[in-house]
Parts: sequence; C-alpha cells; structure tokens
Amino acid sequence: DTAVSQTPKYLVTQMGNDKSIKCEQNLGHDTMYWYKQDSKKFLKIMFSYNNKELIINETVPNRFSPKSPDKAHLNLHINSLELGDSAVYFCASRRNEKLFFGSGTQLSVL
Amino acid sequence: GQQLNQSPQSMFIQEGEDVSMNCTSSSIFNTWLWYKQDPGEGPVLLIALYKAGELTSNGRLTAQFGITRKDSFLNISASIPSDVGIYFCAGHVGNTGKLIFGQGTTLQVKP
Repeated sequence: DTAVSQTPKYLVTQMGNDKSIKCEQNLGHDTMYWYKQDSKKFLKIMFSYNNKELIINETVPNRFSPKSPDKAHLNLHINSLELGDSAVYFCASRRNEKLFFGSGTQLSVL
Repeated sequence: GQQLNQSPQSMFIQEGEDVSMNCTSSSIFNTWLWYKQDPGEGPVLLIALYKAGELTSNGRLTAQFGITRKDSFLNISASIPSDVGIYFCAGHVGNTGKLIFGQGTTLQVKP
C-alpha cells in the first residue's frame, strides 16, 4: 500500500563502485523527482521526469543517471561513487503542487 | 537562484507550549507548502497554501501565506512530544516544476 517506495533503505559501498536506487509510485502520478538531503538536512532537487521524459536536471554530475522505464518508476544510477555522494536520497511523485516523498535511501560511501 | 530562508533553525520547548516558525524569500512564490520530517522518514505534507493572505488550519497547525507572497509562517498550538521533527517550508519556482525547500526548523519538545 506504500505510495512511494524506494529500495534499498540503506546502501553502504566503497568509493569507485557503481550503485542503483529504485523508486516506484502507485499513485498514478505523471511526474517524479529525486532529491538529495545532505548532513545538514538541506533538501536539494536533482532531477525530475514527467511521463518518462527528463524535465529538470539541476547541475548534477553526469555520474548520476536517472532512468524512467515507465511513469511509475524512476531509478537513480550512480557511477564511480565518491565520498561526497554520501547522503540520503529521496524519491517523490507529484500531484498538482504537492510532492509525496518516499522514506529515503541512506547512502554511505566508504 | 531563488532561496527560502527559514527561522529559527532549531527550537527546544516545553510540552503544551505554542510554536511559531517562518519562511521568507526575496522572490515571489505562487504556492507555499509546509512539510514535517520524522527521523528516518521522508518529508510529509502538512499544509498547502495557494493564495496570498490565505490562512489554513490542519488540527493544531495553522499556516498563512503572506500578503506579499514572499513569506509564510507555521504555528503549532499546544505542542506534544510527537511534534518533534524537522519542519520545512517549500515553494514552487514559477512554472518550472521545481519545488525548493528552506533549511528546516528542528523542533524538540520536552515532556
């Protein structure tokens, strides 16, 4: 019944590895997002897709590649992970002006 | 770019007290949203404001959209321990689809 679900909840990996975070929403929304929350809890928008098309790309390093196979899914692939990528990543979907967030993926790069 | 300045950064209050926090910007926003984030969870929408001057309540929470469209406040009355968390204001940047967030107000409630 979870509206926006992301997996995994925790991800611990070594520098230089490649990893993916998956997100699915069952709300029937057309627009989905990825946000990054840093250690100071600041939420920064990364990407947005509308019906499988990229509409927002906020100066994110091209090591980050979002993929939307259909409008219910927005996955985030990260290549060559760096220490500074450690953060909590949130997926969200949108209805009108309201965003609905998943519970986050805590990524720790060692 | 547009920024939202949220204050105070943190608050430590006694259970039963009322709380007020606010958010300002140098730019106009057409929509203001207030979210709460519990530890280990994603932000959850509390209140959405759509018109300048609008005052909206959700239980013990009341929020207002400033007349100038450059500010908003959130009040919590008669705080309880489960009000603990981080409160974020957020606003949409024009018609870009971008929702940007303030820095958050961390609320702690002493029983």
